[in-house]
Amino acid sequence: EAQVTQNPRYLITVTGKKLTVTCSQNMNHEYMSWYRQDPGLGLRQIYYSMNVEVTDKGDVPEGYKVSRKEKRNFPLILESPSPNQTSLYFCASSTPTRNRGQTRKLFFGSGTQLSVL
Amino acid sequence: AQSVTQPDIHITVSEGASLELRCNYSYGATPYLFWYVQSPGQGLQLLLKYFSGDTLVQGIKGFEAEFKRSQSSFNLRKPSVHWSDAAEYFCAVGGRNNAGNMLTFGGGTRLMVKP
Repeated sequence: EAQVTQNPRYLITVTGKKLTVTCSQNMNHEYMSWYRQDPGLGLRQIYYSMNVEVTDKGDVPEGYKVSRKEKRNFPLILESPSPNQTSLYFCASSTPTRNRGQTRKLFFGSGTQLSVL
Repeated sequence: AQSVTQPDIHITVSEGASLELRCNYSYGATPYLFWYVQSPGQGLQLLLKYFSGDTLVQGIKGFEAEFKRSQSSFNLRKPSVHWSDAAEYFCAVGGRNNAGNMLTFGGGTRLMVKP
């Protein structure tokens, strides 16, 4: 079954304690992305990756890191979490986007609810 | 910069009634446009998308949306709402200069369905 898997689903942590949220996809997608969802703000892109070892900042990258060492995995790292990073996080992946106008569909994971105390 | 506005935060409709969710975007040229639905506790699922061609696009679950360039709008419609349509709906715009890679989402509209 084609899917994007995020772990954990729920996470409570304290300020300053490094954490990693994992994301894995089994569709051989080149493009992967992280979003955070906050009430009234919709989804905002944190980082995205066009391929292995190729990452770029989205709209709200501050306080986050990512890595793309393998095609299937795209972990989100919070080196020193703060309460304003309490949010619902989504990972997504999609088919290759080399060709402009090519139909593309984002597949989303089920989300990770993070609370930073 | 691209942006998306969904003016309605909450909408309540009766089951069987028609539905229209509003979406206005800002982009310098013709954008890629999407509607996603998020059911409680779930990720987002693509309902439909507009890339080019016919401005009225059909999606899954009986939804459709119409791209109106003159109004910078991409409103989502359904003729008859079912209780299972209760969810949060997000409109998104993707820029053609990056093949739609960077999606900007609206703030979402939460749909409630009365029996």
